[in-house]
Amino acid sequence: AQTVTQSQPEMSVQEAETVTLSCTYDTSESDYYLFWYKQPPSRQMILVIRQEAYKQQNATENRFSVNFQKAAKSFSLKISDSQLGDAAMYFCAYRSSQGGSEKLVFGKGTKLTVNP
Amino acid sequence: DARVTQTPRHKVTEMGQEVTMRCQPILGHNTVFWYRQTMMQGLELLAYFRNRAPLDDSGMPKDRFSAEMPDATLATLKIQPSEPRDSAVYFCASGLERLILHEQYFGPGTRLTVT
Repeated sequence: AQTVTQSQPEMSVQEAETVTLSCTYDTSESDYYLFWYKQPPSRQMILVIRQEAYKQQNATENRFSVNFQKAAKSFSLKISDSQLGDAAMYFCAYRSSQGGSEKLVFGKGTKLTVNP
Repeated sequence: DARVTQTPRHKVTEMGQEVTMRCQPILGHNTVFWYRQTMMQGLELLAYFRNRAPLDDSGMPKDRFSAEMPDATLATLKIQPSEPRDSAVYFCASGLERLILHEQYFGPGTRLTVT
């Protein structure tokens, strides 16, 4: 079974600075999808960024980018120019590409604090 | 602005009572997922449906939990009888299988407290 590990339970960053959240995963599959979700205090799960494993190019969405290292099974999230609104729990998630296995496997999350 | 809706947002009930949570997926989405979030276990899948048919409910305690999709616009998750250990936030998510990445879009969750 696939597992997702987020080794940093909490992180903090100064406003306008850059922070990187770590995620590693374990799988025997060669094709899969990876996601980062943000969960602010409102509890709403918001999709931040997604990556297809067969693509070597790292995904980017405005201030959010990933460093995808397939061989190392690593999928870190970089937040540039951090804003107060970025404070939230961040969850890394894995999804198999095999039909009938659409479920997301989540890490335990990293709580990000943004200091003014 | 298409979004997944869930009702109720909060539910407090006594042990032994039946609890029903409802979800309206995004119109046109053909997969629906139920996740449970607790401090101890994090986010875990309970069950999911594709085209209203249950595909995986291995994460769901069968003796007390049941999930159904009476129609394409409504998914339900029932707990009978409820127990204090069921206290959690229950999320519904929907997706569209034919999308390459098949992203899942989450509802706001139902916070359940069983006393």
